[in-house]
Parts: sequence; C-alpha cells; structure tokens
Amino acid sequence: QVQLVQSGAEVKKPGASVKVSCKASGYTFISYYMHWVRQAPGQGLEWMGIINPSSGSTSYAQRLQARLTVTRDTSTSTVYMDLSSLRSEDTAVYYCATSTISHAFDIWGQGTMVTVSS
Amino acid sequence: DIQMTQSPSSLSASVGDRVTITCRASQSISSYLNWYQQKPGKVPNLLIYAASSLQSGVPSRFSGSGSGTDFTLTISSLQPEDFATYYCQQSYSTPWTFGQGTKVEIK
Repeated sequence: QVQLVQSGAEVKKPGASVKVSCKASGYTFISYYMHWVRQAPGQGLEWMGIINPSSGSTSYAQRLQARLTVTRDTSTSTVYMDLSSLRSEDTAVYYCATSTISHAFDIWGQGTMVTVSS
Repeated sequence: DIQMTQSPSSLSASVGDRVTITCRASQSISSYLNWYQQKPGKVPNLLIYAASSLQSGVPSRFSGSGSGTDFTLTISSLQPEDFATYYCQQSYSTPWTFGQGTKVEIK
C-alpha cells in the first residue's frame, strides 16, 4: 500500500539545523509531488514547501525560503526536509504528504516531532 | 498568498446534530478546496477534495459544497467519533494555505 515513513523525533538547540526524511513506498516515487507541512503545539497546519521528485524542482513558503531546503533521492525514494537556523518557534510536528488524487493530501507521513530548546 | 478564513473557530454540538462549517478564500479558487479532520495527536485525514468529492472510506454524512470563494462542510448527523478539529485548505496555488481550524466539541 502507499506509505510515507518519516524519521524519528529530534531535539535541537537554537541556531542548529535539522534534517527530516520521508521514505515513500507502494507507488512510483516520481509520479507525485511531495509536500511538507508543520504544526506547532496547539496550533494549526502550515504548508512549508513542495518538491517535484522527478525534476527536483522546489517551491517554498516565503517566510521559510531563506532557511528551508527540500531535496530528494530517487534511488531510495526518499525526500528530505532541511531547516536551518532553528528557533523556538520551529518546535512542531513536521509531516510529509503527497497527493495521489486531485490536489489534496490523501497520504501523510506519521509526523516527526522537532523540539528546539536550549 | 491566498488567505483562508474558517468560521466558527469552535462550536459545541450534540450527537445527532447537523453541523455546518464555512470557509472563505481571499480570492477565487474555483473548486480547489479540501477538508481535513484531525483528532488530538493524530495525522490529519482527508474528508472532502475538490470542494465536494467524498474521499474513499469517509462516511456519507460528510458533504462539501461551494465554489469560487465560499465553501461549506456539512456533517448531517454528528456522531461521537466526529468530535475533532476540521481544516479547510486551498490547492489552487502555492502556498497551499489552510484555514485556522474549527474545533467541534461535545455539548
């Protein structure tokens, strides 16, 4: 079945970087764009960025543009989200999600908790 | 960026009630509007896509309507398992913005 499996929880200090992975299985990896969404504790959902797994082209939310990098490895069907210069406000659950149907997130990873604390 | 505004932010309802949540886009998004349900500590779950299409496996008591800038999610008869937070999302253009959420609580 179609599945996205993310890497485990991370604890980082302010100013550090974090890299979260999302491994896809059950479908042709390059067929569907991959998105990243995050959710701070008790808050709503925030779209972060998107990657075309076939070409590697990306688009990011403007407020994260300077600190966010999304990459992919087609040999392992894995997408990576790298967020730098972490601050306490980046503490959140980070999700990868893909759209196998009409422009909607029908498949989600299980989420990765990133805690930024000194 | 397209802003998505949901109302109400929260509501209290009883089992069996008909519940309606609205979502307004800051510009026309045609029918590129999705609805998700999220329970505490869980991954969001797609309910409705393309404004009115029911995702596979989602109970038929959920329905969506609207186009352009105004959209509605309706739960025809609220069930105990429906108490959750609901988000709308536009997928017309990046960034695919979400509404702030509507928390449905037990009255």
